[in-house]
Amino acid sequence: DIQMTQSPSSLSASEGDRVTITCRASQSISNWLAWYQQKPGKAPNLLIYKASSLKSGVSSRFSGSGSGTEFTLTISSLQPDDFATYYCQQYNSYSYTFGQGTKLEIK
Amino acid sequence: QVQLVESGGGVVQPGRSLRLSCAASGFTFSSYAMHWVRQAPDKGLEWVALSSYDGSNKDYADSVKGRFTISRDKSKNTLYLQMNSLREEDTAVYYCARGRAGSSPGHYFDYWGQGTLVTVSS
Repeated sequence: DIQMTQSPSSLSASEGDRVTITCRASQSISNWLAWYQQKPGKAPNLLIYKASSLKSGVSSRFSGSGSGTEFTLTISSLQPDDFATYYCQQYNSYSYTFGQGTKLEIK
Repeated sequence: QVQLVESGGGVVQPGRSLRLSCAASGFTFSSYAMHWVRQAPDKGLEWVALSSYDGSNKDYADSVKGRFTISRDKSKNTLYLQMNSLREEDTAVYYCARGRAGSSPGHYFDYWGQGTLVTVSS
């Protein structure tokens, strides 16, 4: 199975900050990567697919980049609603795997 | 709008069975692959099972293969997960999620249900 590793595991930031979360795949997954946001007690929400395509209705403050084995999710100008846990997910192969998550907290 | 509503969770003893349901609405159910994804308490997300749009192709995580069965009923717009020989490590919130349309390869999950909690405990 393809392993997905996110860094950092947790991150403290302030409203208005720009933050970047990294996701690394154990082998090349081309650009078959998605990012999700999850708030406590809620289901995940898709933010980005195909590494950089923004889901309709998602704020343009979210952007994704990368290909192969290294990917980033960037949130520009953090808003209070953005404090949550973020997961990457590869869909290059069956046995779809997620990163362990990055918890974004208010500093 | 797309809506997915899971049901069937509860407390069950190890070794017993449980069947989860996911009622879909707001889209053409028979055109989309569907998945189950689970999340153990305070843990990350784990993909569990896939049903292709027409139910002809199914795939499972190694951790549930041979114990869980995914199925769908297009007349009821409902996805199922039959869980047999349950273990304590199967304790989790189970989400159904919509995959890709048609036979498109590779799946991300663009809509999720609210989840149903399964607790396996003696």
